[in-house]
Amino acid sequence: EAQVTQNPRYLITVTGKKLTVTCSQNMNHEYMSWYRQDPGLGLRQIYYSMNVEVTDKGDVPEGYKVSRKEKRNFPLILESPSPNQTSLYFCASSSGQVDRQNIQYFGAGTRLSVL
Amino acid sequence: SQQGEEDPQALSIQEGENATMNCSYKTSINNLQWYRQNSGRGLVHLILIRSNEREKHSGRLRVTLDTSKKSSSLLITASRAADTASYFCAPPPRDGGYQKVTFGTGTKLQVIP
Repeated sequence: EAQVTQNPRYLITVTGKKLTVTCSQNMNHEYMSWYRQDPGLGLRQIYYSMNVEVTDKGDVPEGYKVSRKEKRNFPLILESPSPNQTSLYFCASSSGQVDRQNIQYFGAGTRLSVL
Repeated sequence: SQQGEEDPQALSIQEGENATMNCSYKTSINNLQWYRQNSGRGLVHLILIRSNEREKHSGRLRVTLDTSKKSSSLLITASRAADTASYFCAPPPRDGGYQKVTFGTGTKLQVIP
């Protein structure tokens, strides 16, 4: 079954404690993205990756890091989380330039609370 | 990045009625997509309409696209309680960078049984 898998689904942490949210897709997609969703602000793109070792900033990259060492994985790293990073996070992947449709497939989301 | 802006922000209708929501965008596109999000879950792709199409149907969904006005509409006919969700449009920009798509705040649809 085609899917994007995020882990963990729920996470409560404290300010400054480094954390990683994992994302994996089994569709051999080139493109992957991270979004955060906050009430009244919609889904905002944090980072995206167009292929292995190719990443770029989205609209709200501050405080986040990503890596793309393998095509299937795109982890989101918060080196020193702060309360304003409390949010609902989504990973997405798409085939991008292959069919030029860029239909995105989303993970189930990670609800993060930073105390 | 290109963001779709949905309107209205919220819509409440009775089961069986039709629901119409609109999307506006700013730059030229190859296609426009609509997604649904059930509360707190990931977005799910519903339908894609290409820039050279004016209208597209899929089951109870009808999408129109007016590239001259840079707008699209999504019509859900004979709505059901299960259609209760938020709906988002995504207009990937034509001139490359179409990975840089930011979703708006969506239209929150409530279908009352």
